[in-house]
Amino acid sequence: GAVVSQHPSRVICKSGTSVKIECRSLDFQATTMFWYRQFPKQSLMLMATSNEGSKATYEQGVEKDKFLINHASLTLSTLTVTSAHPEDSSFYICSAYNEGPLVDEQFFGPGTRLTVL
Amino acid sequence: AQSVAQPEDQVNVAEGNPLTVKCTYSVSGNPYLFWYVQYPNRGLQFLLKYITGDNLVKGSYGFEAEFNKSQTSFHLKKPSALVSDSALYFCAVRVGGYQKVTFGTGTKLQVIP
Repeated sequence: GAVVSQHPSRVICKSGTSVKIECRSLDFQATTMFWYRQFPKQSLMLMATSNEGSKATYEQGVEKDKFLINHASLTLSTLTVTSAHPEDSSFYICSAYNEGPLVDEQFFGPGTRLTVL
Repeated sequence: AQSVAQPEDQVNVAEGNPLTVKCTYSVSGNPYLFWYVQYPNRGLQFLLKYITGDNLVKGSYGFEAEFNKSQTSFHLKKPSALVSDSALYFCAVRVGGYQKVTFGTGTKLQVIP
């Protein structure tokens, strides 16, 4: 199946710094990618929909100025956690949507564990 | 609006016994239903999906699920559980023609040797 990668897989940062997470679709082009956040022992919560070449669509309650999303190409979306705080520590998962005449499926990345000290 | 319910936080089953992980859904429109498995500190792995056609869907690792429209359910099943099946299982739904996926709260499956 299609592959989606995330980088880094783990990151530890100090409070107040910014962290960028990359999500790449390796063998297909994705006009739409999604960013999820998962707290320990909880489900995935959709944060935002990333659209190539346009602004991201954020879910209710998600601060767009804190979680900056850039979908600059058909294979790359980035999530930047700005001025990170300990409460931003979480598991962030992206997915890329592969849509075409013969395919209609979402593929997930392996996730990024963010720890803010 | 669309929603998914996984009524059991945890399911325990003895190795070799059949397992069932329950899922019910609510959507306006034709549902696309999915099951994913997650191992600790890992992303989601796709198990199976129902889009249309046969109500019984077979997926990876011997798992299957049955779409029941009247009961709006999509329970995950496996005839004989393995210890290695122990993980967190998520049911998910989206409406055909739309990309947004809604996940259930997850069910932890514990297979006891």
